[in-house]
Amino acid sequence: NAGVTQTPKFQVLKTGQSMTLQCAQDMNHEYMSWYRQDPGMGLRLIHYSVGAGITDQGEVPNGYNVSRSTTEDFPLRLLSAAPSQTSVYFCASSRRLAGLHEQYFGPGTRLTVT
Amino acid sequence: DAKTTQPTSMDCAEGRAANLPCNHSTISGNEYVYWYRQIHSQGPQYIIHGLKNNETNEMASLIITEDRKSSTLILPHATLRDTAVYYCIVRASSDYKLSFGAGTTVTVRA
Repeated sequence: NAGVTQTPKFQVLKTGQSMTLQCAQDMNHEYMSWYRQDPGMGLRLIHYSVGAGITDQGEVPNGYNVSRSTTEDFPLRLLSAAPSQTSVYFCASSRRLAGLHEQYFGPGTRLTVT
Repeated sequence: DAKTTQPTSMDCAEGRAANLPCNHSTISGNEYVYWYRQIHSQGPQYIIHGLKNNETNEMASLIITEDRKSSTLILPHATLRDTAVYYCIVRASSDYKLSFGAGTTVTVRA
């Protein structure tokens, strides 16, 4: 198993550009989520999904869109990038009974918006 | 989620046990205590979780007080590779979301 993979590893955007961060998992996990981590801070939940076709907002959803058309993939879209979205983005997945199972995190995407 | 309180940082000598405290005085009966760690620039890694009994796995031990208002993560023989930020998280079994605080920065010194 590759686990949770994220692409790209690094990205630089100009203000106003859009892009999609990719996340995929090969563990057949129902639950997937996106977090962002700003320097010196803990992770904050952006969006999450409990299964294909189901998504919901987390703590900091503004400026981001998600969709979940398959169990494996959970892309995060930045609609119009802003410098405040400069951060490290982590994707995570787990089995549906999340309270009793650990979440697996990807290696992160480091995004800079100039 | 109930809030947790952890020390900002702590040092530990290589080869010695590292004891990481966490206070969660408002924890509810259906909430578990989870520990994750984040080694520099990597994604967080699950360590252990428990409800009210002490737990042990190949990475660590988790000691939860009888009133469940605090817990201690024990790394029995710390190595330099255990240098990381350690997060104590309280979460209900029905809740998928992890709420990360600032965690404890643990530095293991040779």
